[in-house]
Amino acid sequence: QVQLQESGPGLVKPSETLSLTCTVSGGSISNYFWSWIRQPPGKGLEWIGYIYYIGSTNYNPSLKSRVTISVDTSKNQFSLKVNSVTAADTAVYYCARAPGMTRSMVRGVTITHFDYWGQGTLVTVSS
Amino acid sequence: DIVMTQSPDSLAVSLGERATINCKSSQSILYNSNNKNSLAWYQQKPGQPPKLLIYWASTRESGVPDRFSGSGSGTDFTLTISSLQAEDVAVYYCQQYYGTPPTFGQGTKLEIK
Repeated sequence: QVQLQESGPGLVKPSETLSLTCTVSGGSISNYFWSWIRQPPGKGLEWIGYIYYIGSTNYNPSLKSRVTISVDTSKNQFSLKVNSVTAADTAVYYCARAPGMTRSMVRGVTITHFDYWGQGTLVTVSS
Repeated sequence: DIVMTQSPDSLAVSLGERATINCKSSQSILYNSNNKNSLAWYQQKPGQPPKLLIYWASTRESGVPDRFSGSGSGTDFTLTISSLQAEDVAVYYCQQYYGTPPTFGQGTKLEIK
């Protein structure tokens, strides 16, 4: 049974960098797409970006300038960095797996649904 | 971005009755290569991550009770719970994966009447 677990600081100061790691257990990180998704308290879900196990990435344009996702296949982990955070970045951050992708000439590569999720970690941006 | 709009925002249904949640996309999300709609449904209970229920609009995830079903095509989709159980109280989200970024509906809160 695949399990995902987020880890990282729960409190980050404004203008600093939010850093989280997702550890995948019970299965290999290879051959799947790994995403970060966030949910502000009491609100809906926002996709942040994904990384394929070989290192290719795609980010939400709304966050692209501030986000970096990386992967360490030797540790079965992938990570998220969000620069220059503000209070608006306060949210529960989830890591999740997308089991596949679709491809088209017009839309390029698009990941599919999310079948495994971590429990989530609350990150609060506050001084 | 493709905008996903769910209705209603909240819903109260009696135990054993049918619950129906709607989701509308701002453009067609039919993937022509496999003639399937790029839509998933999730259930989220308080303090828990979303749980995948349905993908490709109507394929039930392994282990999901058969009282959950998905239907629809193009831009209009429905999640139906045929006989509401107490454990189905949750917020339900639809998600499109036709375009990037993948986007979610705002959620529908389902309660017991």
